[in-house]
Amino acid sequence: EIVLTQSPATLSLSPGERATLSCRASQSVSSSLAWHQQKPGQAPRLLIYDASNRATGIPARFSGSGSGTDFTLTISSLETEDFAVYYCQQRSNWPLTFGGGTKVEIK
Amino acid sequence: EVQLLESGGDLVQPGGSLRLSCAASGFTFSTYTMSWVRQAPGRGLEWVSAIGGSGGSTYYADSVKGRFTISRDNSKNTLYLQMNSLRAEDTAVYYCAKGVRPTQSYFDSWGQGALVTVSS
Repeated sequence: EIVLTQSPATLSLSPGERATLSCRASQSVSSSLAWHQQKPGQAPRLLIYDASNRATGIPARFSGSGSGTDFTLTISSLETEDFAVYYCQQRSNWPLTFGGGTKVEIK
Repeated sequence: EVQLLESGGDLVQPGGSLRLSCAASGFTFSTYTMSWVRQAPGRGLEWVSAIGGSGGSTYYADSVKGRFTISRDNSKNTLYLQMNSLRAEDTAVYYCAKGVRPTQSYFDSWGQGALVTVSS
């Protein structure tokens, strides 16, 4: 099973600041990685797939990069609606796995 | 518009069984690999199981292998999860999820979730 480790666990930032979230895989997943956003009481929302492709309707301030074992989600300038929990997910190997999540909170 | 509507969540005793359903609409259901993903209270996301479009391929997390069975009825556009020998640690909201492309399990559509509580 591929283990995804996200860091940091919590990120405290102010609106307008840049957020950089990390996801590290225990073995290479090539570019088969996605990022999801989840707000309290809601289902997750797909932001990025194949490491760097924005999903439909996702604003340009969200970007993904990386390949192999190290990946980054960047939010260029935080909006109030971006404060949420973010999960990475790999589809390179079965079983599919998620990272433990990074909470982006208002400082 | 893609819609996924789960049903069947309930309170069940340890060792009991439950079947979840997910009614799908707004896309060609029979061509998509579908998954179940769960989230225990206050915890992160855990993928549970997936099934190919024809139903011929199934995949499970180790935590549910041998206890849960995924299936689908393409004539009814419905996904199922049969859960047997339920444990307290199976308590979670269960989401059905659709991939962004037919065989790409990045989940771009999710249901609203079905709450399963395992407790005596």
